[in-house]
Amino acid sequence: GNSVTQMEGPVTLSEEAFLTINCTYTATGYPSLFWYVQYPGEGLQLLLKATKADDKGSNKGFEATYRKETTSFHLEKGSVQVSDSAVYFCALSENTGGFKTIFGAGTRLFVKA
Amino acid sequence: DARVTQTPRHKVTEMGQEVTMRCQPILGHNTVFWYRQTMMQGLELLAYFRNRAPLDDSGMPKDRFSAEMPDATLATLKIQPSEPRDSAVYFCASGLGYRGDTGELFFGEGSRLTVL
Repeated sequence: GNSVTQMEGPVTLSEEAFLTINCTYTATGYPSLFWYVQYPGEGLQLLLKATKADDKGSNKGFEATYRKETTSFHLEKGSVQVSDSAVYFCALSENTGGFKTIFGAGTRLFVKA
Repeated sequence: DARVTQTPRHKVTEMGQEVTMRCQPILGHNTVFWYRQTMMQGLELLAYFRNRAPLDDSGMPKDRFSAEMPDATLATLKIQPSEPRDSAVYFCASGLGYRGDTGELFFGEGSRLTVL
């Protein structure tokens, strides 16, 4: 079956540092890929998405590129802020049938001032 | 402002009691998902529906969990009898679910369940 693997946390960075959170996937067909973010006490919310190979999703300074050849969708940000502290989830959605969506384990990010 | 609504937000109960969690998906959304979040297991897919029909509930312990959509505006997740290991945050999410949908999900704020 399909699966998503992302780097374990927590990741601790100083403000303005560069962020990378690795995500790789296993899937049949051509899934859409997502990064969701969860702030304390809240549900997940979409951060960015990419629906086909070589697409780049971007939002709020975060970016990720859909790499079919390496089955990866790594999240990057050039300069993190304290407000970026949260848990980040990589996910894939099958584009057939019921759009079944599965998530990675989540990576907790702490950003220090 | 369309959003997914879950009730209750918090529930504390004793082992053996029945627990029902409810979800109102965003109007017009055709897919509804139930996820369970724990520190150890992360975000597990329990069940999901499209046009109110269950598509996959293989993630649920069948002997005690059940999920239904009585109508398009209500999804329920029931645990009977509840056990301490069911303590978790349960999330409902909905999506468009028709051709052209990119698969984006909209999450509720979750129901935090504690079984003593």
